[in-house]
Formats: sequence, structure tokens, C-alpha cells
Amino acid sequence: DAGVIQSPRHEVTEMGQEVTLRCKPISGHNSLFWYRQTMMRGLELLIYFNNNVPIDDSGMPEDRFSAKMPNASFSTLKIQPSEPRDSAVYFCASSLGRRQETQYFGPGTRLLVL
Amino acid sequence: AQTVTQSQPEMSVQEAETVTLSCTYDTSESNYYLFWYKQPPSRQMILVIRQEAYKQQNATENRFSVNFQKAAKSFSLKISDSQLGDTAMYFCAFWTSGSRLTFGEGTQLTVNP
Repeated sequence: DAGVIQSPRHEVTEMGQEVTLRCKPISGHNSLFWYRQTMMRGLELLIYFNNNVPIDDSGMPEDRFSAKMPNASFSTLKIQPSEPRDSAVYFCASSLGRRQETQYFGPGTRLLVL
Repeated sequence: AQTVTQSQPEMSVQEAETVTLSCTYDTSESNYYLFWYKQPPSRQMILVIRQEAYKQQNATENRFSVNFQKAAKSFSLKISDSQLGDTAMYFCAFWTSGSRLTFGEGTQLTVNP
């Protein structure tokens, strides 16, 4: 089975531009997580979906960040407008039903905002 | 709130030797899960091993094994027969129902030829 798929793998953009990150969870998994990793703050949970519904978005840094999960096989994380401090690696992870504790991560998207 | 502590920011080991990475955690919960994730230079987060707190038997995955000491709240990772491909950042993580997956700060392991 394919693992968690993320696209793009790398993104370079200019400050003020909109950035959309995409994630396809493992088939059958019903929980999806978006994380951000920086040197300064480590791994941070941004938002968590269960059965396509946002459950915990308290980690979303500000209104410039939004996430959607229109169906069980697709999620997006959007930053609008982007700022240099948003530069980080963004991970999507998914887990299965009752075993929400075991999260499988995608390869990540390296975002650089100039 | 739960905390996870990895007291070794960096470690190194010679190829084919054994190395142990330390992790301690703090929780008042009795039922929880512990994990070790590996992050190689590619930055992918790879699940290495998983331990359920109610299981006394230590988890093992090929060359990777853990020493889970529940009373001491310790969860160390032993890598046997170290390989160059084991060079990575290793994160210890904790999860309990109703909480987020909590990561330690990581240990950078370098395997030397």
C-alpha cells in the first residue's frame, strides 16, 4: 500500500503569495494531522481531522493558515498570504480508527518563503 | 500535560556496534503508547517501533528494540549492528487518549564507517 502522499515536495515562493500544500492519507485511515517542523520550535501539531471534520485547530498559528478535508482521501493546508517566517517543513500524517495513536507521516513539503 | 525528554542531543557509534538512545517521559496516565521515529537527512519521519504501556514485553523490530521501564518512566531504544543508513535524528514520542502526540527534542545519531 502507498503511504501518505504529499505534494509538492518542495515549494519556493515569494512573500505575499498563496501557498497550497496537499495530502493524501493512507487509504482507510480516518484521522489526518498537519504538522510543522522548524529548528526553533521542533514539531508542532497545526490541526487534526477525524472523519473529515476538524477536531483540534488550536495549533494553527493565525488566520493566514487554513486547512480543509473535503473527503476521506484529500486534505489541503493553505497559507495566504505567506511570510518568510512560515518557512518550514510541513508534514501530513494519518492514522487508523481506534489506533489513532499510531501516526504514519508523509515525506513532508519543504516550504521556503523569500 | 505530558512531557518527553531526550537528554542526548548527539550520539555517535561505529558501524556494526550497538547504541542505546535514552528517553524519559512524565505522565499521570496509566494507559499510553510510546514510539520512536527516525528522521534521516531526507526529512521523512519514519516510525521505527511502538510500545503499548500495558504490555510488559519490550517491543522488537529487527535490529531495533526498546527497554521499557514503566515505573521509571523510561523508554530507551537499542540499535544493534548499526548501519550507515541508521544515521538520522531519532525522536521519542508519547501518546495517550485525548492528547496530542508529544515529541522529544530528538537525538542526532551518526554511524561512522
